[in-house]
Amino acid sequence: DAGITQSPRHKVTETGTPVTLRCHQTENHRYMYWYRQDPGHGLRLIHYSYGVKDTDKGEVSDGYSVSRSKTEDFLLTLESATSSQTSVYFCAISEGISGANVLTFGAGSRLTVL
Amino acid sequence: QQQVKQSPQSLIVQKGGISIINCAYENTAFDYFPWYQQFPGKGPALLIAIRPDVSEKKEGRFTISFNKSAKQFSLHIMDSQPGDSATYFCAARRAAGNKLTFGGGTRVLVKP
Repeated sequence: DAGITQSPRHKVTETGTPVTLRCHQTENHRYMYWYRQDPGHGLRLIHYSYGVKDTDKGEVSDGYSVSRSKTEDFLLTLESATSSQTSVYFCAISEGISGANVLTFGAGSRLTVL
Repeated sequence: QQQVKQSPQSLIVQKGGISIINCAYENTAFDYFPWYQQFPGKGPALLIAIRPDVSEKKEGRFTISFNKSAKQFSLHIMDSQPGDSATYFCAARRAAGNKLTFGGGTRVLVKP
């Protein structure tokens, strides 16, 4: 998937536990994104990053935090997982923000919160 | 609220038929309209995209029609094949941050 690796690919956890999902890219792209996918909702933006240590919230950011200490890694953390955060999480990257620089997605991380 | 509305939610078409998926948006700040195709267990992959100053774009069997005044756009899959069976998402981009807003998705099944 175009130089994007998400880990873990599958995770089952219990309510109240912390969870961190990792996105690693080898493309050296500046922009990185975390989306969640739920039936009927398409994909919704959680957080995105426009550079190392530069992040901003998306439309469904409550309950999530992110960090980007290196260009290649973008971490998504659920401080205290809830059942409503059961979802498939996709990382995406983009080289730029203009023209045809649309997003390229990873293979996804399926999270189940019991 | 959902800023990009997509219909239908699912679609069954015979091999060789035409699949049509429609999307409508509200925010006039969107500047680019891609369509993504997703197979089970995979991430969405860019299929085709259009700018709002173009009324139609065709790539192989896939065509986007865009109506700026109505704030609507659609994907047509001509001569649908079983390999086209997938979930399709329309999206709209806000230039600031290159953020995509997605429609809810359409599951297309092409019967042989």
